[in-house]
Amino acid sequence: EVQLVESGGGLVQPGGSLRLSCAASGFTFSDHYMDWVRQAPGKGLEWVGRIRKKANSYTTEYAASVKGRFTISRDDSKNSLYLQMNSLKTEDTAVYYCVRVSHGMDVWGQGTTVTVSS
Amino acid sequence: DIQMTQSPSSLSASVGDRVTITCRASQGISNNLAWFQQKPGKAPKSLIYAASSLQSGVPSKFSGSGSGTDFTLTISSLQPEDFATYYCQQYNSYPLTFGGGTKVEIK
Repeated sequence: EVQLVESGGGLVQPGGSLRLSCAASGFTFSDHYMDWVRQAPGKGLEWVGRIRKKANSYTTEYAASVKGRFTISRDDSKNSLYLQMNSLKTEDTAVYYCVRVSHGMDVWGQGTTVTVSS
Repeated sequence: DIQMTQSPSSLSASVGDRVTITCRASQGISNNLAWFQQKPGKAPKSLIYAASSLQSGVPSKFSGSGSGTDFTLTISSLQPEDFATYYCQQYNSYPLTFGGGTKVEIK
């Protein structure tokens, strides 16, 4: 079964840092681009960023709202995706989803909740 | 950035109804458009990619059409499990952007 499981969410103060992880199983993780998408409470979906695969030099793209503060990385040997979030703001409060890119964003994790509050 | 505008933002429909949701891009995106369904408290589920291609396992009552700037998602016969929020998303250029969502409620 194709599965993505996020972890690492929690409560953090403004200005703090948090690292999210996503464990992939049931497919060849290294063959796929991977995305992070977030959803603030009661709001719509917002794309956070993308990391390409090794053949594309693991290059990344980011939304303007997180560029310079968030970093996406991956470890293909561990079938894992990461989101390092620094200088967190209250507006970063959201459920963060790990998403496989195949035919579009075809497989989503269940999400992990990040709350930025003092 | 490409803005994605969905209409309506919400609609009420009955079981068995045919429902159509529209998504308009602020500039041409070819057929680089996807549709997602999200139920409360759950992760989004991919329904359609490339404007009209059904994801594996998605029932054929869902269909998509359009190219360029105007797209539609149609549910041919609404069932209780279809009441949810639907989002369109363009992947023609970065940043990837979503529409604001259409909430489909029971009449």
